[in-house]
Amino acid sequence: DAGVTQSPTHLIKTRGQQVTLRCSPKSGHDTVSWYQQALGQGPQFIFQYYEEEERQRGNFPDRFSGHQFPNYSSELNVNALLLGDSALYLCASSVGLAGQETQYFGPGTRLLVL
Amino acid sequence: DQQVKQNSPSLSVQEGRISILNCDYTNSMFDYFLWYKKYPAEGPTFLISISSIKDKNEDGRFTVFLNKSAKHLSLHIVPSQPGDSAVYFCAASGGGSVAGTASKLTFGTGTRLQVTL
Repeated sequence: DAGVTQSPTHLIKTRGQQVTLRCSPKSGHDTVSWYQQALGQGPQFIFQYYEEEERQRGNFPDRFSGHQFPNYSSELNVNALLLGDSALYLCASSVGLAGQETQYFGPGTRLLVL
Repeated sequence: DQQVKQNSPSLSVQEGRISILNCDYTNSMFDYFLWYKKYPAEGPTFLISISSIKDKNEDGRFTVFLNKSAKHLSLHIVPSQPGDSAVYFCAASGGGSVAGTASKLTFGTGTRLQVTL
């Protein structure tokens, strides 16, 4: 049973560029959440997708957008990259939106913005 | 506004002894709490969780205690093993103001556990 997978594992971009990160959820999961983890901090919630719609959003600017596909996989897009966007981006999958559902994380994509 | 706090950035424990990691929260609407372990260059791995209707949950060497009145939870690892050395994150969910939006996780800043021989 494959767990949550993310691609790419590492990425280097320059300021102003755009980036797309990808996530495939754990088998049987239909909800995907994205988190940003800066160095020395805990993961910060970006947004959550369910039934191909953004259901919740954290305190991140509109430069951060996403998409969920019919097969439940998801993409995170970041436009106009800033140096401060350098972080580990984590995808987590779970079932439904009712809460009290455990989220399982992928290995992350480490983004470096120069 | 740090709603979930882990006030000890690091903890060192001898192999075989008990490790106790602590977490405090401020949002009384949180109703589900989780502990994750994270190795460098990997994503967080789920360890154990507890619902607010319970005060204790055990899974093998791991036990989580929840004190709702104090808004405090702790993770006990007994006995500690060198492979337990990692960063441990406490996370909480619940309290969504819109129906069906209660599931985002709010994390603490982590505690680095080192288990020495």
